[in-house]
Amino acid sequence: AQKITQTQPGMFVQEKEAVTLDCTYDTSDQSYGLFWYKQPSSGEMIFLIYQGSYDEQNATEGRYSLNFQKARKSANLVISASQLGDSAMYFCAMRVSHAGGTSYGKLTFGQGTILTVHP
Amino acid sequence: KAGVTQTPRYLIKTRGQQVTLSCSPISGHRSVSWYQQTPGQGLQFLFEYFSETQRNKGNFPGRFSGRQFSNSRSEMNVSTLELGDSALYLCASSPGGLAGAHYEQYFGPGTRLTVT
Repeated sequence: AQKITQTQPGMFVQEKEAVTLDCTYDTSDQSYGLFWYKQPSSGEMIFLIYQGSYDEQNATEGRYSLNFQKARKSANLVISASQLGDSAMYFCAMRVSHAGGTSYGKLTFGQGTILTVHP
Repeated sequence: KAGVTQTPRYLIKTRGQQVTLSCSPISGHRSVSWYQQTPGQGLQFLFEYFSETQRNKGNFPGRFSGRQFSNSRSEMNVSTLELGDSALYLCASSPGGLAGAHYEQYFGPGTRLTVT
């Protein structure tokens, strides 16, 4: 079974500063993907960034980067130059590739971190 | 390219009734997954459909069912509604069917179901 742990229920950051949202995961599978989603108060889940278990370099997407430490099973999201519009719930999620190579759609989510950006 | 659409966006039902939610994936996507989001349980996987076949299922009672049509649109049905079924129901669309691939899932805006 897979498990995602986000230990920060809430985080506060000043506008234009960087913030790190923590995520640790647990799986016995060797092939997996890690995802971060943003959920504003409207409810829609917005994909931010993806990291594959075999990717040697940390993923980056604009102001988002993923600090992937495989040995520690952590996949922290770093948001640089925070903006007021970044205030939202952030979810870390994982999907594994099953034996035989087929990757099914099931994502396992953490409990989320509410990020508040102050002006 | 149009995103994932879900209808209706809001729904109020009475305990004991049944409800059907609809999800239209991104054009060309063949996989649709459904998730339930509640404050207490967080985001939980319901099931996934690919090419009209359910290929993965979460731990939900049989009252929760779904189907997928030949155009990849999917519906989920909840029968005999309970108060605890009040939740945001999200569907996610992806290309699917790619062996060993790590692909993104794109979510719709959700259907907020309230059971009274």
